[in-house]
Order: sequence, then structure tokens, then C-alpha cells
Amino acid sequence: SQKIEQNSEALNIQEGKTATLTCNYTNYSPAYLQWYRQDPGRGPVFLLLIRENEKEKRKERLKVTFDTTLKQSLFHITASQPADSATYLCALGPNSGGYQKVTFGTGTKLQVIP
Amino acid sequence: EAGVTQFPSHSVIEKGQTVTLRCDPISGHDNLYWYRRVMGKEIKFLLHFVKESKQDESGMPNNRFLAERTGGTYSTLKVQPAELEDSGVYFCASSQYTGTGNQETQYFGPGTRLLVL
Repeated sequence: SQKIEQNSEALNIQEGKTATLTCNYTNYSPAYLQWYRQDPGRGPVFLLLIRENEKEKRKERLKVTFDTTLKQSLFHITASQPADSATYLCALGPNSGGYQKVTFGTGTKLQVIP
Repeated sequence: EAGVTQFPSHSVIEKGQTVTLRCDPISGHDNLYWYRRVMGKEIKFLLHFVKESKQDESGMPNNRFLAERTGGTYSTLKVQPAELEDSGVYFCASSQYTGTGNQETQYFGPGTRLLVL
């Protein structure tokens, strides 16, 4: 069955540094991959989507890469701030077009230390 | 514009009781999804509505779970009778239907925290 692994349960990083989160998957060929942010007591909030034919996507201080050969996505937050502290979820889209069922990873809790 | 809302925010019930969760999607969103996160596990898909029709209910755990979306607006998820393993956070999400085959952003509600004792 398909499996998604996010590199660690928790990641601590100094303010101003670049945070890099990893998402690896097996037994699947997703049409796209998404990253979400989740704060305590809240639902996930969509951040970025990258399609299988895209290598990199950027949005402000966020950058996502997608390597379908390695079956891996990297999520970068540059110039990290304490307000970036949250749990970040990786989610895979389906491998059949037009349908939006996504499969989530367990998430990585990022703590940015002032 | 109001986001996805869910009610109640928390529910504590005893095993064997019935609980009904409600989700109000963003106005105009035809797609509505239910997800569940059991403690320590990932968020898992339960089912998907397009308007009032069930598009996919492959994630529903068993027949103790019943989801409805009469009129294609709000949705309810009933658990009857509740078991201990049903405890978790139930999320609802909605998205617009564009019919283009492209991914549409899902907007999540804050979740309902269910505890079955």
C-alpha cells in the first residue's frame, strides 16, 4: 500500500535560518503533491501544490521541490520566523486525473527559536 | 467570507451512544470532504460529496458511520453506536467544482474533537 513518510516528527531551527522538511513516498505515482500548515486546534491550511511535471514551486519565502524519481519532496522556509512554528503536512494527490482524494503524511512539527 | 465551520468543536460521549457532527462548507462549494485523525496517526480520508451525491465513501470505517448532505449544502456525519476507537478529530473540507480536472484547493474546518469513553 502507499506510504508517506515525513522526515521527523519535530524539527527545531534558529530564527533566520532555512528550514527544510522532507516528504518521501512509496508505492505510488501521484499526479501532484501538496503542503499544508496546521496550527494547534485548527484544520490544515493549504500552502502549495506542485504537479508531477514540475520540479520546483515558490511562494514568497516558501519553496517546494518534487523529484518523482526519488519519490521525494522538499519543503523549504527561508528566513524562518517564530510565526512559522507549526506542523507541516505533506499530502499526495491521486494518480487519476480529476479526482481530489488526498493522502496525508503524519506531519513534521517545526519550532523556530528566536 | 466565512470559512468552513464545524459543530460541535468538542464532544465527549459514552460507548454505545450516538453522535452527530455537522459541517457547513464555504458557500458555493459543491465538493465536501470528511477526514479523520486518530491520535498519533495521519489524517485519513473518509468520504467525498459532490453536491448531495456521494462521490467516494471508500474511507468510511464501517456501517456505524453515516454521512448525509441533503440539499447539497451542509453535511452531517453520524456515528451510531460509537465505539472507543472512533475517538479522534473529524475534519471537514470543501472546495469549488470547476470541472476542469485540475486540483481545486480544499479549505478545512477547525475539526470536531470526539472522545468516546
